[in-house]
Amino acid sequence: AQKITQTQPGMFVQEKEAVTLDCTYDTSDQSYGLFWYKQPSSGEMIFLIYQGSYDEQNATEGRYSLNFQKARKSANLVISASQLGDSAMYFCAMREGRSGAGSYQLTFGKGTKLSVIP
Amino acid sequence: DAGVTQSPTHLIKTRGQQVTLRCSPKSGHDTVSWYQQALGQGPQFIFQYYEEEERQRGNFPDRFSGHQYPNYSSELNVNALLLGDSALYLCASGETGAPYEQYFGPGTRLTVT
Repeated sequence: AQKITQTQPGMFVQEKEAVTLDCTYDTSDQSYGLFWYKQPSSGEMIFLIYQGSYDEQNATEGRYSLNFQKARKSANLVISASQLGDSAMYFCAMREGRSGAGSYQLTFGKGTKLSVIP
Repeated sequence: DAGVTQSPTHLIKTRGQQVTLRCSPKSGHDTVSWYQQALGQGPQFIFQYYEEEERQRGNFPDRFSGHQYPNYSSELNVNALLLGDSALYLCASGETGAPYEQYFGPGTRLTVT
């Protein structure tokens, strides 16, 4: 079974509108972290937002917020007031909890291509 | 404050050759992880280095090896290159005790002909 599932290969959104990118995850660990990254055509993975499994409040970073529903194992990214520069691939990733220093392996989904329309 | 840097940017190699990719972590970071991203896919974890030792490894053959230096910079070596090794290789750095920090470099695009 896939650990990270992104069911939307591509999404379109009108400029200045909000958009939600879906992500569901599968883990038996109690301690884990969820990440969203943006990857423009240049290739660099840009960190957007992080949610820890024990965080009680949804994470927010500027126009990005993470809708974390632990019981449903979903971690959707919400981008408010979309801009043309938001057009890119978006990846959801998970770090599962392990003790010690070797606990930073990220498992990625297949990504969602977001296109912002003027 | 320099972010994660990688070199070279692009590389073309012939099947059977060997390649070395380099990564310098973000200032203050002491762990380095390497990922392979094939075209149209999400990145896949190769391995992670901390305190100059390989700590975790993904499902990659022994042809993929690495090294971490005392200044925390790292190398990824791939021997006996195959056409399927063509991909974007990404380096990510982090700080022990701060698992929410995983910053990526711009990547090295490797083409094997």
